[in-house]
Amino acid sequence: RKEVEQDPGPFNVPEGATVAFNCTYSNSASQSFFWYRQDCRKEPKLLMSVYSSGNEDGRFTAQLNRASQYISLLIRDSKLSDSATYLCVVSPYRGGGSQGNLIFGKGTKLSVKP
Amino acid sequence: SQTIHQWPATLVQPVGSPLSLECTVEGTSNPNLYWYRQAAGRGLQLLFYSVGIGQISSEVPQNLSASRPQDRQFILSSKKLLLSDSGFYLCAWSTPGRTNEKLFFGSGTQLSVL
Repeated sequence: RKEVEQDPGPFNVPEGATVAFNCTYSNSASQSFFWYRQDCRKEPKLLMSVYSSGNEDGRFTAQLNRASQYISLLIRDSKLSDSATYLCVVSPYRGGGSQGNLIFGKGTKLSVKP
Repeated sequence: SQTIHQWPATLVQPVGSPLSLECTVEGTSNPNLYWYRQAAGRGLQLLFYSVGIGQISSEVPQNLSASRPQDRQFILSSKKLLLSDSGFYLCAWSTPGRTNEKLFFGSGTQLSVL
């Protein structure tokens, strides 16, 4: 099982739609979780951190399910400008009380159409 | 505020030629620094990270090397490029002492080895 897995998509949705992405991780002791957004040929940018209690930022909601080892990202009222690749990022546990460097999923591509 | 600069934005190099990519960070001291590569259709792969001057950790064996001659300068080098070195190279920084925290990326270098 890969450390971080995402559905590559693409997800093609109309403007105004609600879309959800899931991401699974293999290391049950992982502590930090993030969603990054990457536009074509650009650098990834932090979209939001994911907390155990779930968190919301405007139209974006992130959830963490530790029991099932997955995180999700929900985008409501999709905009054309939301078109991008969304990267799931996890910090795996490496043993000895230390966390390893961040592991990036390959990303899920979203295309919002008019 | 912190900023990260990476150059050049685009580079076309022949096989067997040397490589030098430079990255500098401003507005913070002793940041953790990273070099990632993103090949076409693949996720971000961590190449090197550094927690301080002269301290370099390599994540994958390859013909690339990294150096940190100054606190906020990180350099990626190769003596002889291979075709497989083509990709999108990203420099990033994170808060000192916290390798599993959020990353901030430079704008990237698109390297084409021909």
